[in-house]
Amino acid sequence: GAVVSQHPSRVICKSGTSVKIECRSLDFQATTMFWYRQFPKQSLMLMATSNEGSKATYEQGVEKDKFLINHASLTLSTLTVTSAHPEDSSFYICSARDRGHSGNTIYFGEGSWLTVV
Amino acid sequence: AQSVTQLGSHVSVSEGALVLLRCNYSSSVPPYLFWYVQYPNQGLQLLLKYTSAATLVKGINGFEAEFKKSETSFHLTKPSAHMSDAAEYFCAVSDPGANSKLTFGKGITLSVRP
Repeated sequence: GAVVSQHPSRVICKSGTSVKIECRSLDFQATTMFWYRQFPKQSLMLMATSNEGSKATYEQGVEKDKFLINHASLTLSTLTVTSAHPEDSSFYICSARDRGHSGNTIYFGEGSWLTVV
Repeated sequence: AQSVTQLGSHVSVSEGALVLLRCNYSSSVPPYLFWYVQYPNQGLQLLLKYTSAATLVKGINGFEAEFKKSETSFHLTKPSAHMSDAAEYFCAVSDPGANSKLTFGKGITLSVRP
């Protein structure tokens, strides 16, 4: 089946620094990728929709200057958490829509744990 | 606007018993419906999806779901639970548009007792 890979799976960074999370579609082209944040025991909160070659569309309440999203190619999107603070600590999950598949098939990455200390 | 309701936060069944996880949706257009499973500290895995073809959808790991328009439901079932089924399950809805996004329910935790 289709695979979406996230890297790193776990990262610890100091408060005030920036950290980048990568999301790659390994065996398909993804014109659209999504970034979610998930708090413990809760559902996924959509942060932004990333379209290849254009600016990301952010959900209401998500700071676009803090959560920078770049979708430079059909197989790679990155989320950069800038000037991270402890409250940014969370599980971040990306997903990608298979461009060549009908039925709005979306595949998810394994997630990335961010801990800001 | 679309929404998904997953009643309850936790379901516990005995190994070998029927699994029934409920999902009701609200959508102004014919929806696409999905069930995802999440194991601890992992991403989401697609179990099955309904995209306006057969109303009874079979997925992986022995799960299936039936789309019932009159009840606006898409309940997930499995005839016989296995210990490895213990996980978090999310129902999601999207419209059929090519660029539509998923709207998730709050999820439900399935526990399987030996």
